Amino acid sequence: NAGVTQTPKFRVLKTGQSMTLLCAQDMNHEYMYWYRQDPGMGLRLIHYSVGEGTTAKGEVPDGYNVSRLKKQNFLLGLESAAPSQTSVYFCASSLWGLNSYEQYFGPGTRLTVT
Amino acid sequence: LAKTTQPISMDSYEGQEVNITCSHNNIATNDYITWYQQFPSQGPRFIIQGYKTKVTNEVASLFIPADRKSSTLSLPRVSLSDTAVYYCLVGDGLGYNTDKLIFGTGTRLQVFP
Repeated sequence: NAGVTQTPKFRVLKTGQSMTLLCAQDMNHEYMYWYRQDPGMGLRLIHYSVGEGTTAKGEVPDGYNVSRLKKQNFLLGLESAAPSQTSVYFCASSLWGLNSYEQYFGPGTRLTVT
Repeated sequence: LAKTTQPISMDSYEGQEVNITCSHNNIATNDYITWYQQFPSQGPRFIIQGYKTKVTNEVASLFIPADRKSSTLSLPRVSLSDTAVYYCLVGDGLGYNTDKLIFGTGTRLQVFP
């Protein structure tokens, strides 16, 4: 049982390049989330999904797209990377249900855009 | 908006009890209070969750007064490995209201030998 895994762990992009971050969970969780964390800051929610085939915007969605074609995978795309997107990206998942706020986080992807 | 307020930082020494208080004046009836811990270069880790009174697990205790407008995370006899950032979240867990999925900047706990 690997929990939540993220690919890749590190990536350097040039401005304007595109890339996709992959998140996978093997806990059969309904909810999945993408956060970004800038130095010295808390986590900010980018997009989330409440089930396979669904996506929704979070607090800071601009410049990102997501897809949840399979229940276990949640992809985060950057179509045209900008230096402001330099950050650590965390994926998380959680069970569906009232009064359940226990999210399981991946190890993070450190992205640098030059 | 279920905004939370925590101290920015706290210092302690090994073996002491640490209490971190979170203020959440606008907590809703269905909201639970959840605490996470984050070590450098890692994702946050769930510590404890509660609705009212007191909850205790093998890691921490959570004290919630009757009006639920604040909560206190208690870490007994901290060690150096408890040095981390602690986040307080308030929400109902359904995920429909993303304004409640706000981690804020948390409380940075530094434990000294």
